[in-house]
Amino acid sequence: QKEVEQDPGPLSVPEGAIVSLNCTYSNSAFQYFMWYRQYSRKGPELLMYTYSSGNKEDGRFTAQVDKSSKYISLFIRDSQPSDSATYLCATVVLGQKLVFGQGTRLTINP
Amino acid sequence: DGGITQSPKYLFRKEGQNVTLSCEQNLNHDAMYWYRQDPGQGLRLIYYSQIVNDFQKGDIAEGYSVSREKKESFPLTVTSAQKNPTAFYLCASSLSGQGALEQYFGPGTRLTVT
Repeated sequence: QKEVEQDPGPLSVPEGAIVSLNCTYSNSAFQYFMWYRQYSRKGPELLMYTYSSGNKEDGRFTAQVDKSSKYISLFIRDSQPSDSATYLCATVVLGQKLVFGQGTRLTINP
Repeated sequence: DGGITQSPKYLFRKEGQNVTLSCEQNLNHDAMYWYRQDPGQGLRLIYYSQIVNDFQKGDIAEGYSVSREKKESFPLTVTSAQKNPTAFYLCASSLSGQGALEQYFGPGTRLTVT
């Protein structure tokens, strides 16, 4: 079983919609969860990370962790065409390295 | 400007040749990482280094080698032993105190081997 699993999509939504991106993880000992955004042919950039469970909000982006179901989510409100990118979830393993999900390709249609 | 540079952006090689990818950072970060990205597979860790003159294998180190002689530089050599070298290679760095938490990525090098 992979440590982090993510539906690769693609996901296409109209501008202004609320987007929900999701990952599952395998080990209940994982504590830190990250979301990265990657534009085509570029390196990923860190959007936010959360510790343990609960929500974290940054502008239009909200990250949520549900430890009981080992489920992590990223919500994007009022989505914009500039949000079109691949979104990668990740978790820290053994305190030293990141393990990534496969990434979900998102397109916001004007 | 502070950041991570990777060169070249595109690299083409013939099968059987070794090739070295460059990664330089001026963020004064202690830790540096190399990842490989293939379509539909996310990022996979090749090697990482937390201090100069020390590095550890990641999940897919076979066919690759690295060195860390300077804090700013972490070159990756793709050897002829790597069976499927064509991929997008990403270098990252982070402050030692942050560990793996806040990694900053370079723009990547797309390697094509034919």
